[in-house]
Amino acid sequence: QVQLVQSGTEVKKPGSSVKVSCKTSGGSFSTYTFSWVRQAPGQGLEWMGRIIPILGVTNYAQRFHHRVTITADKSTFTAYLELSSLRSEDTAVYYCARDHGGQVPTSIGWFDPWGQGTLVTVSS
Amino acid sequence: DIQMTQSPSSLSASIGDRVTVTCRASQSIGSYLNWFQQNPGEAPKLLIYATSILQSGVPSRFSGSGSGTDFTLTISSLQPEDFATYFCQQSYSIPPTFGPGTKVDIK
Repeated sequence: QVQLVQSGTEVKKPGSSVKVSCKTSGGSFSTYTFSWVRQAPGQGLEWMGRIIPILGVTNYAQRFHHRVTITADKSTFTAYLELSSLRSEDTAVYYCARDHGGQVPTSIGWFDPWGQGTLVTVSS
Repeated sequence: DIQMTQSPSSLSASIGDRVTVTCRASQSIGSYLNWFQQNPGEAPKLLIYATSILQSGVPSRFSGSGSGTDFTLTISSLQPEDFATYFCQQSYSIPPTFGPGTKVDIK
């Protein structure tokens, strides 16, 4: 059974960037698709984007399109989310999740399992 | 983007109660509807996908139904571990979108 383990808590200054990692174990990384979802304090869930590692294809939510980069390193079974030009409104828990939409660029699925979450705090 | 709404936003119930949460999509999404449970400080957990398929390990007191724009999550007999927040998510199109959540707490 695949497990997703994320990197630890980050505290960042406004205007800087953050890179969060999501390492997989117990499964076949190259056959997976990974999405990133964030949750601001006391708020709901917001999809940011996803990557299909075997195809090198990414999709991003329009509102993050110019600030977010999702990558994957097949040699270390790790997916990454990088968010730039951070502002206070980006303070949130960031989750990676396996996306069961398959390896079709136009298809999205349900999310399971999820990583444990990474808290990113943006503060001056 | 497809907008997802849920009702109620919160509800209070007792152990053993039958609980129903409703999710509505702004356009037809077929059966591409998934449900998650989230406890405070934890990651969401998949309960049901494709409207009515129970994820492995999820108790059978959970069930889902609906199609098109209107969907329902039902807990047949509420248990102590079910007090949590429930989110729906559409996987009909990119970007996937979530409902705002329904918090179930103890009456």
